[in-house]
Amino acid sequence: SQTIHQWPATLVQPVGSPLSLECTVEGTSNPNLYWYRQAAGRGLQLLFYSVGIGQISSEVPQNLSASRPQDRQFILSSKKLLLSDSGFYLCAWSVPNTIYFGEGSWLTVV
Amino acid sequence: AQSVTQPDIHITVSEGASLELRCNYSYGATPYLFWYVQSPGQGLQLLLKYFSGDTLVQGIKGFEAEFKRSQSSFNLRKPSVHWSDAAEYFCAVGHNTDKLIFGTGTRLQVFP
Repeated sequence: SQTIHQWPATLVQPVGSPLSLECTVEGTSNPNLYWYRQAAGRGLQLLFYSVGIGQISSEVPQNLSASRPQDRQFILSSKKLLLSDSGFYLCAWSVPNTIYFGEGSWLTVV
Repeated sequence: AQSVTQPDIHITVSEGASLELRCNYSYGATPYLFWYVQSPGQGLQLLLKYFSGDTLVQGIKGFEAEFKRSQSSFNLRKPSVHWSDAAEYFCAVGHNTDKLIFGTGTRLQVFP
């Protein structure tokens, strides 16, 4: 069966520091991969999605970037974090028409 | 514009009572519809989904949802709520997973 791993689970970073959140999927090949952000009291906002290695689509302009160096690996990065980057970040993968989520990463920028 | 509305931000029910969480959508075509549940500090778990066919969909944990095209709704129901159902519930619509639109969620609190 397919599983998705996301780490770290919790992160506290100072403003201006870099960020790297990683996500890997097991048990499938060539999945669509996604990064969502969930701010406190809000729904989910799609940040990036990828249909293949090196193919990244960005949904909103922001201080973040994403990369897909391998088929089942998706990385969310920032060179300099802002306070507004705080939130709950969720990696997800999809089979046709259905998205499955990882356990999420809590990021607090202080 | 495509959108999803979950009118109830917070719902409180007693354990054993029935539950209905509302979801209304605005979408140009017949959408794919989903309900997810999120326990505190956790990721989202898929409860059920509707693509086509029978408009009453059965999901996990005893949940069901009914697609009503005339009302643009996809309400989630459970006949008897358990304390472990306390969580946040998200409705989502789309036609391709890369364009899935989520509602803002309904937080369910269950009293013993």
